[in-house]
Parts: sequence; C-alpha cells; structure tokens
Amino acid sequence: DAGVTQSPTHLIKTRGQHVTLRCSPISGHKSVSWYQQVLGQGPQFIFQYYEKEERGRGNFPDRFSARQFPNYSSELNVNALLLGDSALYLCASSPNRGGYGYTFGSGTRLTVV
Amino acid sequence: GESVGLHLPTLSVQEGDNSIINCAYSNSASDYFIWYKQESGKGPQFIIDIRSNMDKRQGQRVTVLLNKTVKHLSLQIAATQPGDSAVYFCAENIDNAGNMLTFGGGTRLMVKP
Repeated sequence: DAGVTQSPTHLIKTRGQHVTLRCSPISGHKSVSWYQQVLGQGPQFIFQYYEKEERGRGNFPDRFSARQFPNYSSELNVNALLLGDSALYLCASSPNRGGYGYTFGSGTRLTVV
Repeated sequence: GESVGLHLPTLSVQEGDNSIINCAYSNSASDYFIWYKQESGKGPQFIIDIRSNMDKRQGQRVTVLLNKTVKHLSLQIAATQPGDSAVYFCAENIDNAGNMLTFGGGTRLMVKP
C-alpha cells in the first residue's frame, strides 16, 4: 500500500518567489494536515483540511495557504518566500478529523536563498 | 539525508541496554499523546500512543508512561538496538478539537555497538 506521498522531495527557491507543495494521502484518508519542521526543532502545525474544508490553522502568516481537492489530495502554497521559510514541510493524513491514525510523508525540503 | 536535529539533547546508550526518553507536555487539556521516531531524511514514524485515561501502555519493546499530575510523558525502549538510533518526539493532541499535534523539542538517541 502506498503511504503519504509528497512532491517534490527537494526544492530551491529565491526570496520573494512563490512555491506550491503537493501531498497525496493514504487511500481512504479524508484528513490532510501540513507541518513545518525547521532544522533542530519539532514539527509545527500549519493547516488541517478535512472533507475539503479548513478545520484548523496554526500560527502562520497569510502568506501560507492550502486547499484540499475532491480526491483528498492537498496543496500548500507559500507566497513571498523569506529565508526563514527554509524548512522540511511535512504532510500527514488520517482517516478522520481526530488525532488518531496520523501517518506522515517524508516531506519536501524547501531551501530559500 | 540531512540531519533532523543538529542541536537536540542527546541520549547515548550501549546496544542491549534500556533507554528512557522523557518529555514534558504543555497543555493540561491534552488527552491523546504519541511518540514518533524520525530518521534523517524521513518523516516522523509512529511508535506508540496513549490516551489520558491510561497511565501505561506497552508495545513491542516499547512502553509509554503518562503522568498527568506533572504533565510528563516517557518512552522506554527495551534492549536498544542500533536501528533505534534516531530523533524521538512526543506529541500531544486534544482529540475532539481536530488533529493538530503539538510536538515537543525532540531527543536524539545514539546507540553504541
């Protein structure tokens, strides 16, 4: 069975640019969440989407946005990139809205130069 | 792959010894707790979880202890193996409030052969 898949695996962008990261959840999982993990720290919650609606938002600026598609895949968009946005971006899917059954993907490593 | 945690607290143990990794959580309303293992270049991998109505739960070679009085969580790994070397994170969740996980800072476990 395929796990949570994220693309691309690595990305280099210039300050001020825009980036789109993609996530495909485990088949049957309706919830997708996004996390940012800065080197040396634990992941920080950005967004949760469940049944194509935003169900939770972390303490991130409006430059960060996301959406979930009818097939439950998701995109994370970041505008006007800053050097501090360099991080590992993790997607996690779960069968339902609660915290049980989370499975993480391997992440997208974003470097902003 | 890149190192997950360059400046994390480190626990160094001899192969075959038992390991104990501790975590202080922040929210007294949290009712679901998870331990994750993260290897370089990978996303967090589920190890074991526990709900707040329990104080101990055992898995294969792993045990999680929960002390709600002092908001403390620990992960015990029996007969630690080189493959256990990784960064370990605890995460807390308020289960009926969506699936936002709040992660602790992480501990690097190094197993000496």
